[in-house]
Amino acid sequence: ELKVEQNPLFLSMQEGKNYTIYCNYSTTSDRLYWYRQDPGKSLESLFVLLSNGAVKQEGRLMASLDTKARLSTLHITAAVHDLSATYFCAVDSSGGSNYKLTFGKGTLLTVNP
Amino acid sequence: DVKVTQSSRYLVKRTGEKVFLECVQDMDHENMFWYRQDPGLGLRLIYFSYDVKMKEKGDIPEGYSVSREKKERFSLILESASTNQTSMYLCASRGFDGGTDTQYFGPGTRLTVL
Repeated sequence: ELKVEQNPLFLSMQEGKNYTIYCNYSTTSDRLYWYRQDPGKSLESLFVLLSNGAVKQEGRLMASLDTKARLSTLHITAAVHDLSATYFCAVDSSGGSNYKLTFGKGTLLTVNP
Repeated sequence: DVKVTQSSRYLVKRTGEKVFLECVQDMDHENMFWYRQDPGLGLRLIYFSYDVKMKEKGDIPEGYSVSREKKERFSLILESASTNQTSMYLCASRGFDGGTDTQYFGPGTRLTVL
């Protein structure tokens, strides 16, 4: 059974600081997704990482994938309050056959002034 | 843009009622999913469908059923609602958009069972 673990689960940081959220998974996969969820809202797709070594960047967020280590990171650069949200990683455990995703429990990020 | 819509944002039902949650996507995706989200438990897959009239159980199918009569519509049915089914329900649709395989979520339905 695929397990997806995120850490930390809670992250409080100051504006302007850098930090990294980690996503470990237990079985082979080459597809990893990052989502953002604002309070009371649905999930918004941030990044899709499809191969070993993939790196994607959007604004102050950068995601990377190391399939050999079964690890993805979401790096936050010079955090701002607008980045406060819950971030989920999700792994495709189906090998693309039925597109089933397994989600981590999420990281609640709070950026303080 | 892919659009996934859900029939209700908020729903209040009584124990024992039959509840229908509807989801519609406009991108001709074959794969659709129903999740529930609870604090501390994350997203859990209830059922998914990879084609019309095709369905597979997810991780927590007990107490739920689904229907997919048309490609764009995927319904979640609570045959006899119970208080432990109070939750946020999220529908998703997955397919290729601009060459990238992505799963898109609807706005969610917050269901309260009294």
